[in-house]
Amino acid sequence: DAGVIQSPRHEVTEMGQEVTLRCKPISGHDYLFWYRQTMMRGLELLIYFNNNVPIDDSGMPEDRFSAKMPNASFSTLKIQPSEPRDSAVYFCASRPAGGLLTDTQYFGPGTRLTVL
Amino acid sequence: AQKITQTQPGMFVQEKEAVTLDCTYDTSDPSYGLFWYKQPSSGEMIFLIYQGSYDQQNATEGRYSLNFQKARKSANLVISASQLGDSAMYFCAMRENTGNQFYFGTGTSLTVIP
Repeated sequence: DAGVIQSPRHEVTEMGQEVTLRCKPISGHDYLFWYRQTMMRGLELLIYFNNNVPIDDSGMPEDRFSAKMPNASFSTLKIQPSEPRDSAVYFCASRPAGGLLTDTQYFGPGTRLTVL
Repeated sequence: AQKITQTQPGMFVQEKEAVTLDCTYDTSDPSYGLFWYKQPSSGEMIFLIYQGSYDQQNATEGRYSLNFQKARKSANLVISASQLGDSAMYFCAMRENTGNQFYFGTGTSLTVIP
């Protein structure tokens, strides 16, 4: 059974370029979360979706960040234009529907983004 | 106020010894879940163990156990018989019944010494 899939695993880009990170959640999971992890700020929730609908995007740092979930099996996180301070590891996670407290989030392997 | 507090930035333990990683939480929701994750140097986040607020017994999963003290709002992770492969970052997290968001602590870096 495939876990959460993220691509690319590593991305190096130059300041000002557009960056698109991709995520495929576990099949059947209705919740999808995007996190950013840095040494300074730890693990931050950026946005999460329920049934493809954005529920809480209060963690999105700026208008340069946007996220979409066009269908149940695909989500993107886009940064345009990118800046060096966006360098971080970006995780996608998914969780089953039903809302049981026992349901953990399953994380993807992460995308390590470096903006030069 | 922080929802999850992990006060130990780094810990060392001798191989085969037990170690306790501290976690305290803050919530007014009577129903919540507590989770521990391991993040090795390779970067992935691995779910280890879960404790529900109404669970009467402490959770156990192999060498991992959770020392749950509800009145103190603490959920410490105990790793018994430490192995070199246990060297990693460990994150405590909480989800309240009233929400879908997971709140994460800042993590504890564990180093197992041979």
